[in-house]
Amino acid sequence: DAGVTQSPTHLIKTRGQQVTLRCSPKSGHDTVSWYQQALGQGPQFIFQYYEEEERQRGNFPDRFSGHQFPNYSSELNVNALLLGDSALYLCASSLGAGFYEQYFGPGTRLTVT
Amino acid sequence: RKEVEQDPGPFNVPEGATVAFNCTYSNSASQSFFWYRQDCRKEPKLLMSVYSSGNEDGRFTAQLNRASQYISLLIRDSKLSDSATYLCVVIIGGGADGLTFGKGTHLIIQP
Repeated sequence: DAGVTQSPTHLIKTRGQQVTLRCSPKSGHDTVSWYQQALGQGPQFIFQYYEEEERQRGNFPDRFSGHQFPNYSSELNVNALLLGDSALYLCASSLGAGFYEQYFGPGTRLTVT
Repeated sequence: RKEVEQDPGPFNVPEGATVAFNCTYSNSASQSFFWYRQDCRKEPKLLMSVYSSGNEDGRFTAQLNRASQYISLLIRDSKLSDSATYLCVVIIGGGADGLTFGKGTHLIIQP
């Protein structure tokens, strides 16, 4: 039973660049949520995708956007990167819209220089 | 004021001891409560849900006090493998803000 997978594991980008992170949900799950975890902080909710639509969104600027594909996998895009975007980006999957029984992937560590 | 507040620790506890930590939440519309565990540089993993009646899973006991708006986690007979960061998590209202996490409490079990 495949768990949540994310790619890449690590990424280094320069200020102003754009980045795309990828997530495949746990087998049987159809909902993907994205979180940002800065060093020493708890994860912060970015948005959730269900049925290929953004269903909920946290307090993040429009530079953060996403997409969900028919196979339930998802992408997180961040434009015009800032130094403050350096963080661990976590993807969590679940069954159905909502936030119960969320399973997290190992994360993508993004460093912006 | 933060929505979910936790003592960051670290809590240094000898193996075999009992340790407890609390978490307070500020939004009375909080509906669901959880404890997650996060090992260093790893993803959070659900440890247990927290119910008003309290719940127990082996050496772990979680309690919810809605009147005082706090959640507790008790670990009995602590093991070296319990060393981790414990994240208090709430779902506020209908969940428009996703899972709301505290900063976590860092626990170190010493041999």
